[in-house]
Amino acid sequence: GENVEQHPSTLSVQEGDSAVIKCTYSDSASNYFPWYKQELGKRPQLIIDIRSNVGEKKDQRIAVTLNKTAKHFSLHITETQPEDSAVYFCAASLGGGADGLTFGKGTHLIIQP
Amino acid sequence: AAGVIQSPRHLIKEKRETATLKCYPIPRHDTVYWYQQGPGQDPQFLISFYEKMQSDKGSIPDRFSAQQFSDYHSELNMSSLELGDSALYFCASSPRTGLGGEQFFGPGTRLTVL
Repeated sequence: GENVEQHPSTLSVQEGDSAVIKCTYSDSASNYFPWYKQELGKRPQLIIDIRSNVGEKKDQRIAVTLNKTAKHFSLHITETQPEDSAVYFCAASLGGGADGLTFGKGTHLIIQP
Repeated sequence: AAGVIQSPRHLIKEKRETATLKCYPIPRHDTVYWYQQGPGQDPQFLISFYEKMQSDKGSIPDRFSAQQFSDYHSELNMSSLELGDSALYFCASSPRTGLGGEQFFGPGTRLTVL
């Protein structure tokens, strides 16, 4: 089955700086790569996703890059703000209609004021 | 906008008891997924349904079963509960149309087994 590795497990950055979280996956058939933000005790919230026919996608301060050859994808957050503090999960799936997501272990992002 | 509804939000059970968790997907979403998240862990995929049929299966224990009904809501039935079943259980839904894959999570049911 799919295996997703995520680094770092904790990331502390100064407010206004950029944050980068990296993930690798094992199944070359995986086709869909979402990122979720989860605050303590709350639901995972989909913040951005990318499919294997796209190399990069951007939404305001958030961007995701995908290197399918290397089986590697990354989340970039620019101009970080205190409300960006949360746990971020990357995930992968075959991208079909009802395929379950395999998540990474998560990155605890701390924005220092 | 309407979101995924889960009930109950909190549930306390004794070991060896049974529990039923309910999920009502976003309107016009016909695919439902169940995930289990232990403290400090990532969500683990359990099972998914499309058009009332089981579609994908993950690490769901044999003690658990689930189904999707004609109105697309889903129920997760858990029997012979163990202490290790204490976790947040999330339901997610997605629309079948389009590229597929986008999953929107409900608020979760926090299950505590004593």
